[in-house]
Amino acid sequence: QKEVEQNSGPLSVPEGAIASLNCTYSDRGSQSFFWYRQYSGKSPELIMFIYSNGDKEDGRFTAQLNKASQYVSLLIRDSQPSDSATYLCALREAARQLTFGSGTQLTVLP
Amino acid sequence: EAQVTQNPRYLITVTGKKLTVTCSQNMNHEYMSWYRQDPGLGLRQIYYSMNVEVTDKGDVPEGYKVSRKEKRNFPLILESPSPNQTSLYFCASSLGAGRGAEAFFGQGTRLTVV
Repeated sequence: QKEVEQNSGPLSVPEGAIASLNCTYSDRGSQSFFWYRQYSGKSPELIMFIYSNGDKEDGRFTAQLNKASQYVSLLIRDSQPSDSATYLCALREAARQLTFGSGTQLTVLP
Repeated sequence: EAQVTQNPRYLITVTGKKLTVTCSQNMNHEYMSWYRQDPGLGLRQIYYSMNVEVTDKGDVPEGYKVSRKEKRNFPLILESPSPNQTSLYFCASSLGAGRGAEAFFGQGTRLTVV
């Protein structure tokens, strides 16, 4: 069973809308959760991280974590065409390596 | 500028010809790792290193070797490349492997084995 599951998409939203990206995981020992953005042909870059249950906001991005239900999500408000990319969910248990989901491709339509 | 540098960016090689992809970071990070990325499979870890002379297998280590003789360098070695190792490779480093340690990625190396 894959440890980190993401809807591969593609997910399309109109410019200005809210994009909602979801990630579920199987390891209850996971402690740190990350969202990376990856443009086509480029390397992943960190956009959000969250450790505690609840919401964490940073500009147009909000990460939501629910450890009881084992999911983490990323909301992008006022989506822009420049947000079109693949979004990777990653988690880390204690001092172990990062485990990545397969990514969700997001397209923001002008 | 803090960065992780990989070389080469693109490489086409033939089956069985040994190759090395270099990775260097200038952030004094202890933790370094190698990933491969294939369509639909996401990033899968090949090997990681917690510090100098400390390396361990990730999820897909078969056919790869690594070494960590210096803190800043973590080369990936393919002793006898095969076509199924055609992939996009990323090196990453982080301050540690503890809570919240962000991974900084290199630019990637696109490898084709024919």
